[in-house]
Amino acid sequence: SYVLTQTPSVSVAPGQTARVACGGNNIGGKSVHWYQQKPGQAPVLVVYDDSDRPSGIPERFSGSNSGNTATLTIIRVEAGDEADYYCQVWESSSDQWVFGGGTKLTVL
Amino acid sequence: EVQLVESGGGLVQPGGSLRLSCAASGFTFSNYGMNWVRQAPGKGLEWVSHITTSSSAIYYADSVRGRFTISRDNANNSLYLQMNSLRDEDTAIYYCASSSWYYFDDWGQGTLVTVSS
Repeated sequence: SYVLTQTPSVSVAPGQTARVACGGNNIGGKSVHWYQQKPGQAPVLVVYDDSDRPSGIPERFSGSNSGNTATLTIIRVEAGDEADYYCQVWESSSDQWVFGGGTKLTVL
Repeated sequence: EVQLVESGGGLVQPGGSLRLSCAASGFTFSNYGMNWVRQAPGKGLEWVSHITTSSSAIYYADSVRGRFTISRDNANNSLYLQMNSLRDEDTAIYYCASSSWYYFDDWGQGTLVTVSS
C-alpha cells in the first residue's frame, strides 16, 4: 500500500514561513490534498489538487508537489495557524484514500 | 451552509455491533461521494470507507473490509456505517465527510465509538 511520510513536528516564530513536507514514492505524479485540524475540531481542507485553495482559505496557504515530496507552505504564520496538518492522496491502483501521519505545527 | 451531523456512537463490547448515521444538509447530497474517516485517540486520520453518488461503487480500508458496511439514502440525505465484529482498535472518533473528487470537502464534527469490555 502507498505510504505518506510526514515530519511529526515543525516549529516557527510568528510572522515567519512554515513548510510542512509530505513524502511519498513519486508523489509528484499524484494530486495531494492538505487538511488543518485544530484541537478538538474536525479537519478542514486548506489545499486541494496540489496547490488550489478552497474558498475562505487565506492566500497565506499554498502548496507544491514535485518528485517525491509535496509541501504545504504557510507564510506570515499567525498564532491561529497552530494545528495538526495532514496530507492525503488517492491511490488509484488500490482505490484507497491515504493520509500522512500528520505534522504538528507549533507557533513559538 | 453545509452541515454534516453524525450520530450513533457510544460504548460497545468487543465483538458487538453499532450503526452510525450522518445527516447532510446545505448541499445537493446526491451529487457527492461520501466517506467515513476515523481518528483513534491521540492518533492521525484514517480513511475507512467511500460510497459513490448512486451507490454504484463502494470501497473499504483493509482494516475494516468484511466487518463494516457503508450505505446511503439520497432521498433522505443520509449516510450510514454498519459496524460489526468490533475490536478494541476500532475505538475512534468517526467523521462523515463529503467528496466532490478525491479529497474531502466538508466534515462533520464526529461521533465517538468506544469498544471496551
